[in-house]
Amino acid sequence: EVQLVESGGGLVQPGGSLRLSCAASGFTFSDHYMDWVRQAPGKGLEWVARSRNKGNSYTTEHAASVKGRFTISRDDSKTSLHLQMNSLKTEDTAVYYCARAGALIGGGGPYYPDYWGQGTLVTVSS
Amino acid sequence: DIQLTQSPSFLSASVGDRVTITCRASQGISSYLAWYQQMPGKAPKLLIYEASTLQSGVPSSFSGSGSGTEFTLTISSLQPEDFATYYCQQFNSYPLTFGGGTKVEIK
Repeated sequence: EVQLVESGGGLVQPGGSLRLSCAASGFTFSDHYMDWVRQAPGKGLEWVARSRNKGNSYTTEHAASVKGRFTISRDDSKTSLHLQMNSLKTEDTAVYYCARAGALIGGGGPYYPDYWGQGTLVTVSS
Repeated sequence: DIQLTQSPSFLSASVGDRVTITCRASQGISSYLAWYQQMPGKAPKLLIYEASTLQSGVPSSFSGSGSGTEFTLTISSLQPEDFATYYCQQFNSYPLTFGGGTKVEIK
């Protein structure tokens, strides 16, 4: 059974840092891309970052709103995904979800997020 | 960045109704689009990918269509468990943007 469990959320002051983790199990972690997606209270979904798999050299993408402040990383040996968040702003307050993304179509097509964790809440406030 | 515009943003419907949600992209995205369902306080659930492929385990009452810039999610007969918020997301280019969401409520 695929499981994704986020941790590391909490209350932090503006300008502070936080490191989120996502513990993955039940699948071959190194084969999959992994995403972070967030949702501010009462708002819609916002894609934050993506880590490609080993076969794609672990390259990463970040949303412009977090580029230079957040860094996605992964440890395939521990089947874990991380999001290092620095210089946090009040607008970063959200539930942060990690998601597994698979090559559901294959043949070089996109990787679609097919399993999601339950999320961890990050609150940035003084 | 590719903008995705969902319509309507709010929909009131009855059990058994046929419901259609539209997602329009600001530029062509081929068929690289997914649809999700989100219940209150829960994580999103993948319903459709590649615009029209039903994810395993999703009821056949859900269907997706479209390519290029216009896409639709259709629920052929709304069930009580379908009242939720629905989002589209494009995978043509980064950043991977979402639509604003469509909340489906009970009439």
